[in-house]
This record gives sequence, C-alpha cells and structure tokens, in this order.
Amino acid sequence: AQSVTQLGSHVSVSEGALVLLRCNYSSSVPPYLFWYVQYPNQGLQLLLKYTSAATLVKGINDFEAEFKKSETSFHLTKPSAHMSDAAEYFCAVSDPGGGNTPLVFGKGTRLSVIA
Amino acid sequence: EAQVTQNPRYLITVTGKKLTVTCSQNMNHEYMSWYRQDPGLGLRQIYYSMNVEVTDKGDVPEGYKVSRKEKRNFPLILESPSPNQTSLYFCASSPSLSFSGRGETQYFGPGTRLLVL
Repeated sequence: AQSVTQLGSHVSVSEGALVLLRCNYSSSVPPYLFWYVQYPNQGLQLLLKYTSAATLVKGINDFEAEFKKSETSFHLTKPSAHMSDAAEYFCAVSDPGGGNTPLVFGKGTRLSVIA
Repeated sequence: EAQVTQNPRYLITVTGKKLTVTCSQNMNHEYMSWYRQDPGLGLRQIYYSMNVEVTDKGDVPEGYKVSRKEKRNFPLILESPSPNQTSLYFCASSPSLSFSGRGETQYFGPGTRLLVL
C-alpha cells in the first residue's frame, strides 16, 4: 500500500529564508505526487504535481519540488519565504497503475513565517 | 466561476440526529470524493464516486453514506452522528472519468466544520 511521510509537523522560518518541506513516499511503482496548500479557513488548493514528466516541477508562488526516485522523496522548496506562505502543506501520492486507489495524503506540515 | 461548494459551512448537532452535508460542483467533473481532516492525521478519504450511481468506500467509511444521483451533487449523510465524527469535512472533484489519481488535480470545497455533542 502506498503511503506518504511528511517529516516535521511544524516548520518555522524567517521571512526571506529558504523554505524546505520534506515528503517521502512509499509506492511499488513510480507514483504521481502532489503538493497541496491549505490557507487558514480555506480548502486545499494544488501547488504543483509530478506526473512522470520533468523531475523538477515548478508550481505557483515560486514553489518547486524535485522528484528523486532513488531517495523516494518529493521535497517542496521556495527560495525566499513570504509572510503569506504561512499555511498548512500536504504531500499526496497516487498509484498510476490503475484501479480505484485513492489519493493518499500525508499528515501535513504547518509552515510559520516569522517577520 | 468554477468551484466546489459545500453547505453548511458550520454545523453543531447532537448524537443520533441525522444530518446531510451537501456538495456541488459546476465543472462537469466525473470524480467526486469526501475527506475528513483531523489534527495530526491529515486528510482521510471517506467515500468517492467515479460517476453517477457509482460510489465506493475510502479509508474511513464507517458511519457515513453517500449518493450520486446526478453528476454535480455528492451529498454526505450521517444517519446517526456520534462525537467521534466531529471533524472538518472536505468535498473534492476532478475531471477524470477513469481515476483522479492518474495525475488529475482535485478541486476542493471550502470545508464543513461539524461538531457532534
């Protein structure tokens, strides 16, 4: 069964500093991978996704993530944090092999940005 | 505007009193899904629907029912709510007829916060 591990339930960075949110997956085949963001009192929205094309994926708001098969990782980065990036971030994985396998979410990482 | 709507946004109820949370999407999406979000547990799928009249259980279906009589609507029904169903619920949809996880983006509603006393 596929699964996702997000290391760190809470990450705090200073404004302007690098953001790094970690995601490791477990899947029997190279999966599809997603990062979603949830701003306070809102639903989730897609930041970026990997679907077996380029391994470095660029998303909205200058976020990007790199798929590393050898490390089974899909870490999310942003060069310079902004106050508006404070939110909860979810990594998710799905199996492209077919069937009705649901999208499996990690437990989330709450990002705080300090002025 | 393309969107997924949920109603109500907030609900307080008592144990055993049947309730329905509505979900509607205006994007003509085939796939719809319900999740619950709990602190420290992330999002867990309750039920999903591949198409009209086609529904299936997710990871945590106990205590919930769904129906998909028309493409745009996917209500979540709690026949006899219990306090352990206190949670934040999200409805989501995606375009794919086959399966949303094959690279399709899921679009989420704003959430329904439910408190069962």
